[in-house]
Amino acid sequence: GAGVSQSPSNKVTEKGKDVELRCDPISGHTALYWYRQSLGQGLEFLIYFQGNSAPDKSGLPSDRFSAERTGGSVSTLTIQRTQQEDSAVYLCASSLASGGTVEQFFGPGTRLTVL
Amino acid sequence: AQSVAQPEDQVNVAEGNPLTVKCTYSVSGNPYLFWYVQYPNRGLQFLLKYITGDNLVKGSYGFEAEFNKSQTSFHLKKPSALVSDSALYFCAVRAPSTGTASKLTFGTGTRLQVTL
Repeated sequence: GAGVSQSPSNKVTEKGKDVELRCDPISGHTALYWYRQSLGQGLEFLIYFQGNSAPDKSGLPSDRFSAERTGGSVSTLTIQRTQQEDSAVYLCASSLASGGTVEQFFGPGTRLTVL
Repeated sequence: AQSVAQPEDQVNVAEGNPLTVKCTYSVSGNPYLFWYVQYPNRGLQFLLKYITGDNLVKGSYGFEAEFNKSQTSFHLKKPSALVSDSALYFCAVRAPSTGTASKLTFGTGTRLQVTL
């Protein structure tokens, strides 16, 4: 079966523009996560969706960042008024459930460059 | 708050030699521990996990990891390294509770370089 897919694979934008990043999780996975990977740093948790529950937005770095998950499947991460410090690889992951023992499956990421 | 430390930015090893990638963690209660590998321009791939039971966990591609509660460590090991093992390795921890704690906390990663 297909893994987690993300689009676009690369995005170059100008400072101040809005961008949308898309994630298609593995079919049947109820939990979906967004992380950010910056050069020289580990993965930074951004947001987490589980079924119909309210998302955990505790990792979003500012109110310029938002995400939604439609129909319990596809998710879109939106960054408004992009800044150069937003440049990073944005990774999406999904898992069968949100339990602590379950591993997450990651997509290939979207490399965002803000000029 | 939970945290993970990977003290080595890079580990260099010759092919055929054993390798160790170090990881220590801090979490309230008993941890769930994970290792992921990232090949160039790829997403993270799950290698192995420790949940409970035997402290020595075996995973993909011949890797194993040893959970040491007293030292709060979960070092990744392989008896004989391959050049194809060269990649970026991440250790991650999760507290054993539900809800917001379901997120993984990752270390900063260790680059493994295996040479002929």
